[in-house]
Amino acid sequence: QKEVEQNSGPLSVPEGAIASLNCTYSDRGSQSFFWYRQYSGKSPELIMSIYSNGDKEDGRFTAQLNKASQYVSLLIRDSQPSDSATYLCAGGGAFSGGYNKLIFGAGTRLAVHP
Amino acid sequence: GAVVSQHPSWVICKSGTSVKIECRSLDFQATTMFWYRQFPKQSLMLMATSNEGSKATYEQGVEKDKFLINHASLTLSTLTVTSAHPEDSSFYICSAPLNEQYFGPGTRLTVT
Repeated sequence: QKEVEQNSGPLSVPEGAIASLNCTYSDRGSQSFFWYRQYSGKSPELIMSIYSNGDKEDGRFTAQLNKASQYVSLLIRDSQPSDSATYLCAGGGAFSGGYNKLIFGAGTRLAVHP
Repeated sequence: GAVVSQHPSWVICKSGTSVKIECRSLDFQATTMFWYRQFPKQSLMLMATSNEGSKATYEQGVEKDKFLINHASLTLSTLTVTSAHPEDSSFYICSAPLNEQYFGPGTRLTVT
């Protein structure tokens, strides 16, 4: 069973701090990884994608991938109350219909308090 | 970015009835769409891959006769929950891949 594991949280950080979200995966064949943000009652929205070992930065967000350790992380700098949401880590799995199926972790709830 | 819509956004139905949910890619063609289900405080679970012009591919444990999928055109896939029961109450989300997976806004199904 291919799995993506996340700490469910909640992770509570003060406004302006760095939030660090972590994820491990079991399928060594996964080549693509994604972080989605999901507000309560809404569908997920893509925050970052990462395919290579190392860091990838986009604004206040940095994704990190370590394939040897099967570990993906997301750093959110200068956290804002509007960042409070559930963050889903997903790994690209087997192909279906020509596209990678996504395997989602259970999500980490982030709460940014003023 | 690409836009995926779903209809209806929420629906309440009685036990034993069938409900159809539509997923449309509004500004691109999608030969493949994915259907997910999300129970409260749980993650998204892939139910099936919808393939335009051919049968859907279901994930292990998903009853294909209960969750009927029809990919009628390059922009429309439908999921019909047949003989719905309260345990089918969930948040159903579709996605259509382009350079990434674009998710629809979801459909909240409540079966009474």
